[in-house]
Amino acid sequence: GQQVMQIPQYQHVQEGEDFTTYCNSSTTLSNIQWYKQRPGGHPVFLIQLVKSGEVKKQKRLTFQFGEAKKNSSLHITATQTTDVGTYFCAGRNYGGATNKLIFGTGTLLAVQP
Amino acid sequence: EAGVTQSPTHLIKTRGQQATLRCSPISGHTSVYWYQQALGLGLQFLLWYDEGEERNRGNFPPRFSGRQFPNYSSELNVNALELEDSALYLCASSLDKSLVAKNIQYFGAGTRLSVL
Repeated sequence: GQQVMQIPQYQHVQEGEDFTTYCNSSTTLSNIQWYKQRPGGHPVFLIQLVKSGEVKKQKRLTFQFGEAKKNSSLHITATQTTDVGTYFCAGRNYGGATNKLIFGTGTLLAVQP
Repeated sequence: EAGVTQSPTHLIKTRGQQATLRCSPISGHTSVYWYQQALGLGLQFLLWYDEGEERNRGNFPPRFSGRQFPNYSSELNVNALELEDSALYLCASSLDKSLVAKNIQYFGAGTRLSVL
């Protein structure tokens, strides 16, 4: 079945350093979403990318969707302690069940002040 | 506007018992999804309900079941509980199944199920 892998599983950075998490799907995706889950919290929607090669920015966060629509990345510039949490990508297959999201394995980000 | 609400917040059961978890979607949302998140792990898709029908289910045994009511709220039932069922169970809802732009899932705070 379809798999969505994220790397790294865990990253520890010093506050102010940059951070990137990569998301790779075994199949072509119709769109990809990113969610953030704070420790002890629930996933919260960040953004959705639909077009091949799309790049979107939210303040210090930059999201990219690959040209082949099989991979995506989230880059955080100058991390802050408020960025701590697990970042999940979630994708939908072309031709698959419309609403079934396959969540990636997640990347846990720790930020040391 | 109220978000997705789940009850109870915590649930403690023993092996072999049954657990019932409840979810109320955001007003106007017709789709409800259930996920299992074991400690330190990712989200595993359990079930998707829309307009009262089960639309899809993940790779879980039949003792995981549920239903959606006419008001779009949903129940997840887990029968014959096993120790490995201990996890955070998250419910999410979304607005519209046909429009990609609106297929964002909004999550509740979850029910923490502990099986002793």
